[in-house]
Amino acid sequence: DVKVTQSSRYLVKRTGEKVFLECVQDMDHENMFWYRQDPGLGLRLIYFSYDVKMKEKGDIPEGYSVSREKKERFSLILESASTNQTSMYLCASSFLYEAFFGQGTRLTVV
Amino acid sequence: AQSVTQLDSQVPVFEEAPVELRCNYSSSVSVYLFWYVQYPNQGLQLLLKYLSGSTLVKGINGFEAEFNKSQTSFHLRKPSVHISDTAEYFCAVSDPGSGNTGKLIFGQGTTLQVKP
Repeated sequence: DVKVTQSSRYLVKRTGEKVFLECVQDMDHENMFWYRQDPGLGLRLIYFSYDVKMKEKGDIPEGYSVSREKKERFSLILESASTNQTSMYLCASSFLYEAFFGQGTRLTVV
Repeated sequence: AQSVTQLDSQVPVFEEAPVELRCNYSSSVSVYLFWYVQYPNQGLQLLLKYLSGSTLVKGINGFEAEFNKSQTSFHLRKPSVHISDTAEYFCAVSDPGSGNTGKLIFGQGTTLQVKP
């Protein structure tokens, strides 16, 4: 089975902190994604990576950056966390047309 | 731009009753269609997918969906629900311009609440 692992299930950070959300997949997938999930809005794509060191902005990239130094790892970075970034963050990797999701990280910024 | 609309934000239903969760998408070009389920405090799990072929797609846990190209719909159904089906359900379509990247556009989600 494909496994996508997010390093934290719950995080509480202070406004202005730099926050790293880590995601690792074990199936050698080229494509990886970071989504944000908010009630009533579904999942919205923040960033997408189709290869090592390659990235593409999604629908809501403002306030975020990403890093992909190794194929299996895709990190989401909040440069200066703000309260409006309190949300559930979901990482996914994909093969052909099927996406596989991690358990999610619920981030609270106080 | 491609969009996905899930017509009901919440669907309450009694156990053993049938249920239909509705999904419409906007694209007139060929897309691939998916339903995902999210149980409380978990990530998303694929229920079923339509890539080509038969318009009636069967998935896990007794769910099925029907692709209707003329109505641009992909409604999810189950003939008899269980308490354990209580979850949030997401309809998604592939981004037509994204090749085979797996990049998806999601609907807003429908919360299915099964009552005893």
